[in-house]
Amino acid sequence: AQTVTQSQPEMSVQEAETVTLSCTYDTSESDYYLFWYKQPPSRQMILVIRQEAYKQQNATENRFSVNFQKAAKSFSLKISDSQLGDAAMYFCAYRSIQGGKLIFGQGTELSVKP
Amino acid sequence: DVKVTQSSRYLVKRTGEKVFLECVQDMDHENMFWYRQDPGLGLRLIYFSYDVKMKEKGDIPEGYSVSREKKERFSLILESASTNQTSMYLCASSLQLTGELFFGEGSRLTVL
Repeated sequence: AQTVTQSQPEMSVQEAETVTLSCTYDTSESDYYLFWYKQPPSRQMILVIRQEAYKQQNATENRFSVNFQKAAKSFSLKISDSQLGDAAMYFCAYRSIQGGKLIFGQGTELSVKP
Repeated sequence: DVKVTQSSRYLVKRTGEKVFLECVQDMDHENMFWYRQDPGLGLRLIYFSYDVKMKEKGDIPEGYSVSREKKERFSLILESASTNQTSMYLCASSLQLTGELFFGEGSRLTVL
């Protein structure tokens, strides 16, 4: 069975600085999808970034980028130029290439200090 | 924009009560999901549905049932609520099984 682990329950970053959130996963599959979702306080969860395992190039979305290390089964999220609006719970998630359920990590709560 | 609406943001129920959590999506998505979110555990899948009247058990279906009579609506039912079902419940939908999930705002249920 696939598992996703986020070992940092809480992280803090100064506004305008860069922060990296860690995620590791375990799977025997060779093709799959990885995601980072953001859940702001009292607001709905939204997709931040998505990575297909067959793509070697790391995904980027504006200030958000990932470091995807397939052999190490690591999928970290880097947030550059952190903004107050980035404060949220961040979840790493895995999905099989066949689709179906998303498997989530435990979450990392990010606070941004002005 | 996709909109996933959960009927109640906050509910307080008593042990043994029957609880209905409703979820409606407005984008004609085939797939709908119910997750439970608890601190330190992340999100765990309760049930999902890939078509009307179809349902599949997730990782923690015990104590829950679901209903999908119409494509846009997916209901989560707690037949007899217990205190260990106090949690945040998140509904989500996606167009395809491999597609992006769109989430509702969540329903925070407290069972006394």
